[in-house]
Amino acid sequence: DAKTTQPNSMESNEEEPVHLPCNHSTISGTDYIHWYRQLPSQGPEYVIHGLTSNVNNRMASLAIAEDRKSSTLILHRATLRDAAVYYCILRGTHNTNAGKSTFGDGTTLTVKP
Amino acid sequence: DAGVIQSPRHEVTEMGQEVTLRCKPISGHDYLFWYRQTMMRGLELLIYFNNNVPIDDSGMPEDRFSAKMPNASFSTLKIQPSEPRDSAVYFCASRPLQGIGNTIYFGEGSWLTVV
Repeated sequence: DAKTTQPNSMESNEEEPVHLPCNHSTISGTDYIHWYRQLPSQGPEYVIHGLTSNVNNRMASLAIAEDRKSSTLILHRATLRDAAVYYCILRGTHNTNAGKSTFGDGTTLTVKP
Repeated sequence: DAGVIQSPRHEVTEMGQEVTLRCKPISGHDYLFWYRQTMMRGLELLIYFNNNVPIDDSGMPEDRFSAKMPNASFSTLKIQPSEPRDSAVYFCASRPLQGIGNTIYFGEGSWLTVV
């Protein structure tokens, strides 16, 4: 499985943008880049995903490097409710790899008021 | 739509007792996953099913753990006998066969404490 590398922790001030980086230098051409987050005492939840192009949704934006070896999750205005562990994972398109995604340790985001 | 439903939400049991965790995946989803989360090891995939058939159980820690999926709407994870080191949060998740980017949907977890 292709691995991802994320910083263990990051801090942000409320109302400011947050850029959460992820390195995935061994990504294959068919791997989607997924981001999940886990709020305290809850299961992980989907945030956003992309393949090659940058993506935007109501929760966040995903910027993908041209060589796809890294990506950045962007929270445009952090709120206290965004404090969570953010996981960057790679998901293959082949069904045999459906469950093989390794979540890793993720980045613990602390948002200061 | 109802999400992935897990029960019990919390369980405290004595060492040696049998523990059964239950999961109802999202209707229509073809894949079901069981994960375990601890502070030490993070989020680990234990086993996953495709169309009720176990595909990969290489993450199951030992023979004390077993998982079944008798039909498309129900799965169990059983620990017998339970040990204190099994204390963790156990998540069930599901996803459809064809989905945008293969997004996985998680339940809220079953918090297990073995004393």
